[in-house]
Amino acid sequence: GIQVEQSPPDLILQEGANSTLRCNFSDSVNNLQWFHQNPWGQLINLFYIPSGTKQNGRLSATTVATERYSLLYISSSQTTDSGVYFCAVAYQTGANNLFFGTGTRLTVIP
Amino acid sequence: DGGITQSPKYLFRKEGQNVTLSCEQNLNHDAMYWYRQDPGQGLRLIYYSQIVNDFQKGDIAEGYSVSREKKESFPLTVTSAQKNPTAFYLCASSTRAVNEQFFGPGTRLTVL
Repeated sequence: GIQVEQSPPDLILQEGANSTLRCNFSDSVNNLQWFHQNPWGQLINLFYIPSGTKQNGRLSATTVATERYSLLYISSSQTTDSGVYFCAVAYQTGANNLFFGTGTRLTVIP
Repeated sequence: DGGITQSPKYLFRKEGQNVTLSCEQNLNHDAMYWYRQDPGQGLRLIYYSQIVNDFQKGDIAEGYSVSREKKESFPLTVTSAQKNPTAFYLCASSTRAVNEQFFGPGTRLTVL
């Protein structure tokens, strides 16, 4: 399957700070999603972004498909942003199942 | 409200028993998926179904079985042949045209 690498694996921020999470993938994809997993395990959809740039409030994401990476930006972080952020991708052809990275664990401290 | 429901939230099983996890969606999505998550890891695909009465094995299908008799439902059975079943199980669905997947709240299975 596609190899998905996320960095950094762990990140600790002071409330109000900004951060950038990175996702590298090993093949051409037709789907890239960013998720936030909350403490109860629920995966919350942040972005569906196979290419281009999107913004939603304090969050934004950019995918450069030709260079096989995506970035998630979190600005003015809040304690409620804490949790694990996953990047997941699907092959450009064939089945649509997602391949997940191992996530970035973000802790925002007051 | 449209969404994906999973039940039960927590499940305890004795070794040697089969258990069935429920996944229901009312989003009118054609495709449904089962993933497994182990502590500190990402999700891995168990089975998926693109259409009723058809399903395909994912990367870790051994010891699991599924059925897809209705568009809305995709139950997963964890059989006694699954060697390490203790994990968090997540169900997802998507349309076939746009593969943005949405996830249910998950079921935590513990084998005693």
